[in-house]
Amino acid sequence: GAVVSQHPSRVICKSGTSVKIECRSLDFQATTMFWYRQFPKQSLMLMATSNEGSKATYEQGVEKDKFLINHASLTLSTLTVTSAHPEDSSFYICSASMGGPTEAFFGQGTRLTVV
Amino acid sequence: GQQVMQIPQYQHVQEGEDFTTYCNSSTTLSNIQWYKQRPGGHPVFLIQLVKSGEVKKQKRLTFQFGEAKKNSSLHITATQTTDVGTYFCAGPREDSSYKLIFGSGTRLLVRP
Repeated sequence: GAVVSQHPSRVICKSGTSVKIECRSLDFQATTMFWYRQFPKQSLMLMATSNEGSKATYEQGVEKDKFLINHASLTLSTLTVTSAHPEDSSFYICSASMGGPTEAFFGQGTRLTVV
Repeated sequence: GQQVMQIPQYQHVQEGEDFTTYCNSSTTLSNIQWYKQRPGGHPVFLIQLVKSGEVKKQKRLTFQFGEAKKNSSLHITATQTTDVGTYFCAGPREDSSYKLIFGSGTRLLVRP
């Protein structure tokens, strides 16, 4: 299957700082990538859809100015959590597919802890 | 709004026992996918079902898609400790078919 690499896997940051998370598709081009958030023992909640060459589309209730998404190329999308607060602590996971309603390939996830 | 629920939420079995998780959608789905997430890990794709009434097997795992394409099940025969994890079903969203809506998940623990 295709490989999606996410970095960093873990990050601890202080309140008020920003954190950037990278998501790369290593062996295929992804015009669309997805960013999810997962709280402990809960399901995956889609935050936003990252589109190469255009603005990301955000799900209802997700602040676009807080969660900045940049899809700079067909293999790289980044999520920046700006002015992080403890309530932003969570597991963030990206995914990509090869197009259409096919299987999704997930990155390893980033566990963010804001102290 | 569209919902995908799974039951049970949690199951603890003795190694060697069978396990089943059920997935129920509020809407008809064009396909259903199953993912496994190990503790501390990320979801990994297991299978996709497309046809009404479809049944697929992967070794000890049997996946079924309901006739009405609104429900699905995953059955594991003779569980092993390596089966531990959370199993999610997922289907295309009503409002955007290239986005997935995930079920609530079933967490499986296996006693050795």
